[in-house]
Amino acid sequence: GAGVSQTPSNKVTEKGKYVELRCDPISGHTALYWYRQSLGQGPEFLIYFQGTGAADDSGLPNDRFFAVRPEGSVSTLKIQRTERGDSAVYLCASSSSGLAGYNEQFFGPGTRLTVL
Amino acid sequence: AQSVAQPEDQVNVAEGNPLTVKCTYSVSGNPYLFWYVQYPNRGLQFLLKYITGDNLVKGSYGFEAEFNKSQTSFHLKKPSALVSDSALYFCAVRYYGQNFVFGPGTRLSVLP
Repeated sequence: GAGVSQTPSNKVTEKGKYVELRCDPISGHTALYWYRQSLGQGPEFLIYFQGTGAADDSGLPNDRFFAVRPEGSVSTLKIQRTERGDSAVYLCASSSSGLAGYNEQFFGPGTRLTVL
Repeated sequence: AQSVAQPEDQVNVAEGNPLTVKCTYSVSGNPYLFWYVQYPNRGLQFLLKYITGDNLVKGSYGFEAEFNKSQTSFHLKKPSALVSDSALYFCAVRYYGQNFVFGPGTRLSVLP
């Protein structure tokens, strides 16, 4: 079956520009997570959706970062006024339910963002 | 705040030998513990998890892990390593109602 997909796979942008990263989770998965992974580090939590609502956005580093999931399926991570420090691989994951806490996540291949 | 430590950046093991990748977590209590593997240019793949019950859990590709509450550890093991096991391994912990916290990763190299 189809797994989690993310587009684009690579994104190169200039400092100060706006970018959108898309995640298409596994069909029927109600929980969706965004992470950021820098080289040599583990994934760092950004935001978690349960259905359409952001259940926890405590990991977003600042107000330049925003994410939506309007219909409870596809999610878009939006970064305004990009900075060189935003360069990383952005990972999306989904699971069948986020509330119980013990369901494993299924990860997408990631979007590699490079800010020049 | 909860944290996860993987004390070894790199583990080298000869093919056919047993392997261990270590993981410890900071907060006691009743954690949910996970291991994921990341192959080059691919997303993280779930290997196994501990929720409750038997401290020894078995997962994909012959891997297993043992939960030790007194030592707050969840080490990943395999009796006989394969060259194809070479990858980056991440331990993660989660408590009910809180977010996943991942360790920094351990690079496993299995030498033929």
